[in-house]
Amino acid sequence: KQEVTQIPAALSVPEGENLVLNCSFTDSAIYNLQWFRQDPGKGLTSLLLIQSSQREQTSGRLNASLDKSSGRSTLYIAASQPGDSATYLCAVLYNFNKFYFGSGTKLNVKP
Amino acid sequence: GAVVSQHPSRVICKSGTSVKIECRSLDFQATTMFWYRQFPKKSLMLMATSNEGSKATYEQGVEKDKFLINHASLTLSTLTVTSAHPEDSSFYICSARATAGLSGYTFGSGTRLTVV
Repeated sequence: KQEVTQIPAALSVPEGENLVLNCSFTDSAIYNLQWFRQDPGKGLTSLLLIQSSQREQTSGRLNASLDKSSGRSTLYIAASQPGDSATYLCAVLYNFNKFYFGSGTKLNVKP
Repeated sequence: GAVVSQHPSRVICKSGTSVKIECRSLDFQATTMFWYRQFPKKSLMLMATSNEGSKATYEQGVEKDKFLINHASLTLSTLTVTSAHPEDSSFYICSARATAGLSGYTFGSGTRLTVV
């Protein structure tokens, strides 16, 4: 059974800190892994997509890594800002067209 | 880029009534759309896969007669919650695949349904 777990469930940091969000998945036969941002009461914004053959992806202050063999991915946020406050979701896509989502990490960056 | 529009963003309805949620792909054709449900502090769960011109494929445990899905065109899928009850209150999000490959998924902005 495919399961996706995100740790921690919530995180509060002062502005300017670098931080790491963790995602683990039980079935390593993934097609890709995607990190999303969700603001309160809003839909999902795609941040980074890592194909199964890739090890990492970077976009601005964000860097996502993927270790398929250990079933882990991390999202690294550099120099955090209050505007980064949101819930971050990790989603794993298998080859049958279905995303499995983690329950998210709620991030609060304090000014 | 690919944009998926979902409407309404919020809806409040009385128990026993039906509510329709629309999901539109604005600048691309989507032969397949997906409907997710999100419970508070829980992950998104796939409810059903909507296929243009054919019946939707429902996930185990999802009531087909309660959650009616219609995908009548390549740019529109609708989810109708029939005879709504307070336990149907939730956040519903649709997704569409913009390209033939498995990487081109775009999500809508979601609909907050409250049944009173």
